[in-house]
Amino acid sequence: DAGVIQSPRHEVTEMGQEVTLRCKPISGHNSLFWYRQTMMRGLELLIYFNNNVPIDDSGMPEDRFSAKMPNASFSTLKIQPSEPRDSAVYFCASSSPTSGVSEQYFGPGTRLTVT
Amino acid sequence: AQSVTQLGSHVSVSEGALVLLRCNYSSSVPPYLFWYVQYPNQGLQLLLKYTSAATLVKGINGFEAEFKKSETSFHLTKPSAHMSDAAEYFCAVSAAGTASKLTFGTGTRLQVTL
Repeated sequence: DAGVIQSPRHEVTEMGQEVTLRCKPISGHNSLFWYRQTMMRGLELLIYFNNNVPIDDSGMPEDRFSAKMPNASFSTLKIQPSEPRDSAVYFCASSSPTSGVSEQYFGPGTRLTVT
Repeated sequence: AQSVTQLGSHVSVSEGALVLLRCNYSSSVPPYLFWYVQYPNQGLQLLLKYTSAATLVKGINGFEAEFKKSETSFHLTKPSAHMSDAAEYFCAVSAAGTASKLTFGTGTRLQVTL
């Protein structure tokens, strides 16, 4: 299994630009999670999907952030317009809680730098 | 609602010494508990999980954790630290039977010295 795939691994952009982060979950997993990790705030859950439907987006910081999951094998997290305070590592994770056990499998992350 | 508290944001041990990383949880329903490890510039990797079977759980890389309901604890231990264990460790909790949302602790950075 290839694991959770994220792209790009690194993104450097200028303030005001649109940024799109991509995630391919593990095949067969029906839950997908987007996290943000910073030194100041630690690991924060932004949004998660079950069966492609957003379940909880209470962690999305503001309207500049949006996430979609058009099908079971692809999700995007978009920031428009980006700001320097959005600089962080963004992780995608997937899980398959059908057995009742809910461990998540994380991708390698996308390191975003907004200048 | 569930929460976890990790005591000590930084722990330093000598190579070969016992590793003890503390985690206390709060949950209104029977919990599932997890320990994850994050090496520099990598994602989180599952070390072990407690899912209401055996209270002593063994994981990868020689780590284990014991679920103690009376103490609401799930501390992570390893008898003998290795330099390669230097990383950040996260405790997490979810409610059994839910749709897999995890609540993570703030993490403990483990330093291993010679």
